[in-house]
Amino acid sequence: DAGVTQSPTHLIKTRGQHVTLRCSPISGHKSVSWYQQVLGQGPQFIFQYYEKEERGRGNFPDRFSARQFPNYSSELNVNALLLGDSALYLCASSFAHEQYFGPGTRLTVT
Amino acid sequence: AQSVTQLGSHVSVSEGALVLLRCNYSSSVPPYLFWYVQYPNQGLQLLLKYTTGATLVKGINGFEAEFKKSETSFHLTKPSAHMSDAAEYFCAANINQGGSEKLVFGKGTKLTVNP
Repeated sequence: DAGVTQSPTHLIKTRGQHVTLRCSPISGHKSVSWYQQVLGQGPQFIFQYYEKEERGRGNFPDRFSARQFPNYSSELNVNALLLGDSALYLCASSFAHEQYFGPGTRLTVT
Repeated sequence: AQSVTQLGSHVSVSEGALVLLRCNYSSSVPPYLFWYVQYPNQGLQLLLKYTTGATLVKGINGFEAEFKKSETSFHLTKPSAHMSDAAEYFCAANINQGGSEKLVFGKGTKLTVNP
């Protein structure tokens, strides 16, 4: 079975631009979460979606938004990019309290 | 607020030596606990988890962890380190809040294995 997939793998953007990251969960998983991992730190929770509804939101500004589609895939959008948004963005799908992570999208903001 | 603390950002051991990575959690209710491993430029791979029941949990690649409620700890061990164990390790707690479920991670411990 395919695991969690994310696209793109790497992305370079300029300050002020907008970015969209995509995630496909494991087949049958209805919950998707997003995490930001800054270099040298543990991942920080951004959002959780379940059945297309936002279930939880971490301490991130409104520039960060997400949505989940009927097929349970998800997008993370970040507007007005700042240098500090440079990070590895991880998507996880979950089942029975266990989260399965994708390989991540490495975002570099210059 | 719930938190996870990993003692030691870097741990260095010799090949064949015992690996001990420390994790403490802060929560009034013992959460589900996890250890993940991350190799360079990769995502997180689950090593093992504690939910309920047996407090000694065995995971992949010879790792195990013991949940100690009295010490609010969940330390990760492996009897004999292998070169392939060199990676970053994250301890995490599953926090359920108002219908949402999220992982709270420690800052990570980078394990170096010397030949």
